[in-house]
Amino acid sequence: SQQGEEDPQALSIQEGENATMNCSYKTSINNLQWYRQNSGRGLVHLILIRSNEREKHSGRLRVTLDTSKKSSSLLITASRAADTASYFCATVSDGGTSYGKLTFGQGTILTVHP
Amino acid sequence: EPEVTQTPSHQVTQMGQEVILRCVPISNHLYFYWYRQILGQKVEFLVSFYNNEISEKSEIFDDQFSVERPDGSNFTLKIRSTKLEDSAMYFCAGLEDRGHGYTFGSGTRLTVV
Repeated sequence: SQQGEEDPQALSIQEGENATMNCSYKTSINNLQWYRQNSGRGLVHLILIRSNEREKHSGRLRVTLDTSKKSSSLLITASRAADTASYFCATVSDGGTSYGKLTFGQGTILTVHP
Repeated sequence: EPEVTQTPSHQVTQMGQEVILRCVPISNHLYFYWYRQILGQKVEFLVSFYNNEISEKSEIFDDQFSVERPDGSNFTLKIRSTKLEDSAMYFCAGLEDRGHGYTFGSGTRLTVV
């Protein structure tokens, strides 16, 4: 399988509920990032977590990283209809020759119903 | 907030034609990238550019692709002879420093017919 695989592939929830998305990866990483993409639009950086960090918060976002399991999760609390988008995890490998390129997962399509 | 600007937003081209996609990065960014996303698929790395030269490229970035900074600021991605399978969203991205998040442009949707 590929670097940066998310599950679930699609998630449908009601406004106010929490949304949790998971990501697994294969190689040793320098950092892991989460991006959001509204339909047909560009990617917006949400949060970055370094390999020596275990948890990070930003507003309603909470990201965890477990390097022993090579996995990460993104939690969006108190979801809103405006959170409806695709969410991607992306890793930056821990290698000197990698000039910071991102390896993306397949993404999770989140739909928040009002 | 500074933005990465891409033009055009949508381009339709005949198979075999050359296309040039343009990007204006944020001035203090040092690392630059092109990615593409075929409809319904994951975002794929094409090429990275640092210190005015290509630093890394993927298998996708074959001889049909080239990247330049013609005037030291703007960026171009050229596809010399487009194929149907080149149809995708192409994203330019910049990075101030490794260990930070990227800033992506809004993309160019390329349709090859």
